[in-house]
Amino acid sequence: SQQGEEDPQALSIQEGENATMNCSYKTSINNLQWYRQNSGRGLVHLILIRSNEREKHSGRLRVTLDTSKKSSSLLITASRAADTASYFCATDGGTSGSRLTFGEGTQLTVNP
Amino acid sequence: GAGVSQSPSNKVTEKGKDVELRCDPISGHTALYWYRQRLGQGLEFLIYFQGNSAPDKSGLPSDRFSAERTGESVSTLTIQRTQQEDSAVYLCASSLAPARTNYGYTFGSGTRLTVV
Repeated sequence: SQQGEEDPQALSIQEGENATMNCSYKTSINNLQWYRQNSGRGLVHLILIRSNEREKHSGRLRVTLDTSKKSSSLLITASRAADTASYFCATDGGTSGSRLTFGEGTQLTVNP
Repeated sequence: GAGVSQSPSNKVTEKGKDVELRCDPISGHTALYWYRQRLGQGLEFLIYFQGNSAPDKSGLPSDRFSAERTGESVSTLTIQRTQQEDSAVYLCASSLAPARTNYGYTFGSGTRLTVV
C-alpha cells in the first residue's frame, strides 16, 4: 500500500492563486520530500523537510510538517501556468529507511 | 554525467519478447533505484542498489523481472517474456546515500515501455 497519500487528487486554479496540496503517511519518518512531474516523465526534487522541522520555504514553495498527525502540506504561492504538473510526496520509512515511498500524486492545473 | 540518463526513451515490444532497460546514474551516487509508473498512477518501487551491498529486490513483481548494477555505475533492468500489464514508464533514480540520510533523488526521464 502507498505510504503517502495526497489530497486532493486533482486541483484546478487560476494563475495568481495559491495552491495547497496535502499528504498523509502512516509510519515514522526521518524526512518527507516533495517532487514534481511534468508529462509523466522524470520527477524533479522540490524540497525536503526533516522530521524535526515544522516548516520550510523555497522560493514560492512552503512546506509544513506535522509529525503528530503524520501529515504534510505543500503550498505554492502566486501560481503560474508553468506550475501545471503532478506533485508527489515521498517518505523514507524512518531510521531503517533506505528508499522513498511515493503517494499517488496531486494533478495541479493552473489556468492562464 | 550531469544527470541520470535512461535508454531507450521509448520501447515498443511484442508480447513474449525480452526487453532490457538501461540507467546511467550520476557519478558518485552510491544509491540507485528503479520504479514503475503506470498511467495516471503513483510510483511503484521495484529494486534498490546501495554500493556493493546485496540489492533490495522486494518490489520486483515477478521472476520475469531482474536487475543488475556494475559497482556504482550503470544498471540494467531486464523484463523477460513481456506481458501487456508490463506497459508503463520505468523510472530510474540515483542518490548520494539512502533515503533516511536526507538526500533527495535525481530521476532520469524514464523509459516508456509499450507491450503490444
